[in-house]
Amino acid sequence: DSGVTQTPKHLITATGQRVTLRCSPRSGDLSVYWYQQSLDQGLQFLIQYYNGEERAKGNILERFSAQQFPDLHSELNLSSLELGDSALYFCASSGGKGNTEAFFGQGTRLTVV
Amino acid sequence: GQSLEQPSEVTAVEGAIVQINCTYQTSGFYGLSWYQQHDGGAPTFLSYNALDGLEETGRFSSFLSRSDSYGYLLLQELQMKDSASYFCAVSPPGGTALIFGKGTTLSVSS
Repeated sequence: DSGVTQTPKHLITATGQRVTLRCSPRSGDLSVYWYQQSLDQGLQFLIQYYNGEERAKGNILERFSAQQFPDLHSELNLSSLELGDSALYFCASSGGKGNTEAFFGQGTRLTVV
Repeated sequence: GQSLEQPSEVTAVEGAIVQINCTYQTSGFYGLSWYQQHDGGAPTFLSYNALDGLEETGRFSSFLSRSDSYGYLLLQELQMKDSASYFCAVSPPGGTALIFGKGTTLSVSS
C-alpha cells in the first residue's frame, strides 16, 4: 500500500459528460501529480500541484482541469468527454517539489462509451 | 524537452538475467529512476541513479552513464512474478514531475 488513495476505482460514463477523480496523497506529501495511461502507452504527465498551487503542466487538455485543496487532496476534472479519454488515471505524491521517488495510487479506470 | 527510449518487449526464462536499456535525450535532469508496473496495477519505485555507476538493490541493479545518455535496469535470478512493465523516468530540473519512457514489457517463462 503506497498510502495514496484514489477514488473511484472504476468509472463508466457517456461521451460529452463530466467526471471528477479524487486523490488523497500520502500523509505529509505536499506534491501531487496526475498521469494518464492509455492502452499500451506510457505514463503521460498531466499536471502537478505543490502545497495547493499549480507547479507544472504537461500534456493536459483544455477540457481537463485540476486543483489541490488546503487539506492537500486533489481532484482532476474531465469534461466534454470523448472516447479517446478512456484510460487509467493515476495520482502520485511525493514529499518535496519534485522528489526522485513518487508514490502512486491504484488509479481510476475511466471508460467513456 | 525530454524523451526516453526503451525496448517495447523483452522475454526471458526463470533464473536468467535480463537487461532493460533506456536511452534518453534531455536538456538536463537530476537522476534516472526505474518503476515496475504489474498489469493494471500502480507503478512502484524500484531504483534511482543520481550519479554515474551501478546501484544495487537485491536482485535488481540500475546503471547510469550521463556521458552516453544511457541507463539500464538489470534483473537477476528472474522469477515469474517479475513479469511486468518496467519504466525508466527522469527527474527534470526545477523539481517537477517525473517524465516516463513508454515502458518495457518483460515476460518471464518457466
